[in-house]
Parts: sequence; C-alpha cells; structure tokens
Amino acid sequence: AQRVTQPEKLLSVFKGAPVELKCNYSYSGSPELFWYVQYSRQRLQLLLRHISRESIKGFTADLNKGETSFHLKKPFAQEEDSAMYYCALTSLGGQNFVFGPGTRLSVLP
Amino acid sequence: ETGVTQSPTHLIKTRGQQVTLRCSSQSGHNTVSWYQQALGQGPQFIFQYYREEENGRGNFPPRFSGLQFPNYSSELNVNALELDDSALYLCASSLEGRSYEQYFGPGTRLTVT
Repeated sequence: AQRVTQPEKLLSVFKGAPVELKCNYSYSGSPELFWYVQYSRQRLQLLLRHISRESIKGFTADLNKGETSFHLKKPFAQEEDSAMYYCALTSLGGQNFVFGPGTRLSVLP
Repeated sequence: ETGVTQSPTHLIKTRGQQVTLRCSSQSGHNTVSWYQQALGQGPQFIFQYYREEENGRGNFPPRFSGLQFPNYSSELNVNALELDDSALYLCASSLEGRSYEQYFGPGTRLTVT
C-alpha cells in the first residue's frame, strides 16, 4: 500500500539553525516525491519535486530509495519559513497523490 | 488570470443529507482534482476529472461523485452524508499531465451533524 509518514507533528528551531523535516514512504514501483507547503492564511502550494532536483527558497530534498526517505533540508532557517509542510507521492506522471499528515515548522526569532 | 475558487466557504448538513460543492479552475487549466482533508491530516485524494470524465479515483465509496463542465469547472457531490464526512474539501486545478503543479483552492469546510 502507498503510504507517506512524517514523524514530527511540530518542529521548532531558532532562526539561522539548520532544519530537517523528515518524510518516509512506502510504495511498490517508482514514485515521484514532492514537498508542498502552506503558509499562514495561504493556500497549499508546491514547494519542490524530486525530479527537478532544484533548490527552492533554500530548501533541498534528496530521494533515498534505499531508506525510502525524502527529507526536506535547509541550512539556515528563516522566520518566513514557518508553515505547514506536507510530503506527498504519486506514480510517475500519475494523479493519485498520497499526502503525509504534515509537519508544522515554527522558526523562532 | 484568476485563481481557483470554491463555494461555499462553509456549510453545515445533517447526517443522511446530500451536498454539492463547487470549484472553478484556474484560467487555462483543464484538469481538476478533489481532496478531503480531515482535521490534523494531510489531503486525501478523492478523484480527478479531465475532459469531463473521471481520470483517477482514490479509496472513496461511490456516494462521492463528481462532474466536470465544458468550462472545466467542477462539482463534488456527496450522498447519504455521514459524520466522518466532516472535513475540509479542497479542489486543485492543473494542466493535463502536470498534476504536480496543481493550484489549490481555499477549500470548503463541511460539518455534518
């Protein structure tokens, strides 16, 4: 069965500290992995996808197929990074997205 | 360019009733996906519509049904409402084959009493 887990409901870090939001998945086949973000009073939006291998707003995520993980990292957290982060997967080119329960990141001043 | 809109914003229904939720897709987007988000959970995929036909479905019973219109707007219908149907319902629009670049609406909060 397809499943995405995010072990931390809430993660608090100080401004300037490194941040890592964990995501593990179970999927039979080759999934596409994504991170979505929802800032306060804004809509859910795509942050990054593993295929593009981009750094968006200083965030990166590497797909580790051996550990079935797709952790989101940023070396120096900013207060504006405070938001709800969701890890999600789908099949390659698919439309059936499976979202994790989300992690709320709070960056303290 | 207009974003994804949903109506109504909130509604309250009684168990056993039927409800219709509406979604207008972003200008130029021809694909609409619907999600159910229970409190404290991530969105759960209900189904997707493309060219007025269902193009994929999650693990939801047949009492969840949908429509897509020629202007790409969409409806989600839920029959025989149950208390567990209480949730935020999100719709998201995208271009065909680019579901990952889906643009979400603000959601409709449904409460079933």
